[in-house]
Amino acid sequence: DAKTTQPTSMDCAEGRAANLPCNHSTISGNEYVYWYRQIHSQGPQYIIHGLKNNETNEMASLIITEDRKSSTLILPHATLRDTAVYYCIVRVYTDKLIFGTGTRLQVFP
Amino acid sequence: GAGVSQSPSNKVTEKGKDVELRCDPISGHTALYWYRQSLGQGLEFLIYFQGNSAPDKSGLPSDRFSAERTGGSVSTLTIQRTQQEDSAVYLCASSSTGLAETQYFGPGTRLLVL
Repeated sequence: DAKTTQPTSMDCAEGRAANLPCNHSTISGNEYVYWYRQIHSQGPQYIIHGLKNNETNEMASLIITEDRKSSTLILPHATLRDTAVYYCIVRVYTDKLIFGTGTRLQVFP
Repeated sequence: GAGVSQSPSNKVTEKGKDVELRCDPISGHTALYWYRQSLGQGLEFLIYFQGNSAPDKSGLPSDRFSAERTGGSVSTLTIQRTQQEDSAVYLCASSSTGLAETQYFGPGTRLLVL
């Protein structure tokens, strides 16, 4: 079973920041937070992952709360091509990925 | 190629027939994974290969499903006596050394069982 809770859907205006929340209140100390996204009719795409510290790469930023019970994926300047289903996954570093139902992000012009 | 490739991209078959789905991982990746995604559903883990062996096949839904990997590279997922409920997108992913590493996914094979 997925260990995360995400909103079913969200909207974001093009050019604005998209902030996607994820609750993982039962996360263990050795579990990482991973984010993948799936654009329609494509395979999932890795975005970012983190353990405790906030992380940033060329695609997004990951903000993890101090108690690690929730996190937020930030797409700083959303484009229409960012329309996708975003999956938040919690897992031990050596465990398999378990996908939930994710958040469907719709970016509109 | 640069990414994970899968073939065929689409497959239509009749109930009761066997199908074979192929996955070519990223060159040099030792770990390979199969997932299934039914219409409107999340991804369901099927099996994980490390080299040619499968330390975790816990997600295979029945004994009609089997997979093999040869030469530490190409993998084939076989579904025998297909049923309509097998209709789904079958996704393959690979990672460089194992479960700890980032998984890169292929485009999937869309299977429709009539």
